[in-house]
Amino acid sequence: FLLTQPHSVSESPGNTVIISCTRSSGNIADNFVHWYQQRPGSAPTILTYDDYQRASGVPDRFSVSIDSSSNSASLFISGLKTEDEADYYCQSYDSNTVVFGGGTKLTVL
Amino acid sequence: QIALKESGPPLVKATQTLTLTCTFSGFSLNTGGVAVGWIRQPPGKALEWLALIYWDEDQRYNPSLRTRLTIIRDASKNRVMLTLTNMDPVDTGTYYCARMFPVGVLKGGWFDSWGLGTLVTVSS
Repeated sequence: FLLTQPHSVSESPGNTVIISCTRSSGNIADNFVHWYQQRPGSAPTILTYDDYQRASGVPDRFSVSIDSSSNSASLFISGLKTEDEADYYCQSYDSNTVVFGGGTKLTVL
Repeated sequence: QIALKESGPPLVKATQTLTLTCTFSGFSLNTGGVAVGWIRQPPGKALEWLALIYWDEDQRYNPSLRTRLTIIRDASKNRVMLTLTNMDPVDTGTYYCARMFPVGVLKGGWFDSWGLGTLVTVSS
C-alpha cells in the first residue's frame, strides 16, 4: 500500500496547518500511523506514534486525527512557530512492510 | 542514553556491493520487543524503508529491494549490518539506522531513535 501526502503546505505563524496522509488500499484504522519531523540537515525524529500518542517532549500543539471515511490520517499543528518549518512524514506497517509517506514540506511564512 | 551510529564507505562504484554497519548503545538487541532497521533518503527525496531485524533474529525487507538486501546482527557487539548488492547511482543517498521499540504484536511499530545517517554516493 502507499501513503500519499501533499508535497508542500504553507501557513503563517500562529495559525493552524493540517497535513494529510492517505492510505491507498486497506483501512487506515487497521494499522497504527506514526508521524516524524525532519528539520533540514537532520535525521527524522518521532512526533506522534500509535495514531494519537505524542512522543516525549512534543508539545500539545501537535495532534492527529484518523478518518476512516477518507482513509486518511491528519497531523494538526496549531499555533505555528517558525521552528516548525520542516519536512513531515507519516509511517505505517502492514503485511510485514514498513511504509513511509512521501513527505510534506511545511513552510511557515 | 540511546545512540546509533552508521558507518560505511562514502563512495562506491556502480555494480559494487555496499556494506553498512550500525553500532548502537543504550539498549540490547537481545531484549524482547526490540528491532533495528535501515531507512534511506535520496538527496531531496522521501524516506524509504529498507530492512528490519528483530530481537529473535527475524527479518523483514522492502519487497521492491528484497533480492538485493541482507540484514544481519551481531548482538554481542551491538551491531547491525546491511548489505545492498549491485549498487546503482539511484541508490545514492543518506542511509539511516534506527531503533524500533516497542515492537507491536504483528512486529510493526515506530522508530523512536535514529542515527545521524551516512551519505553514500554511487558513481557510474
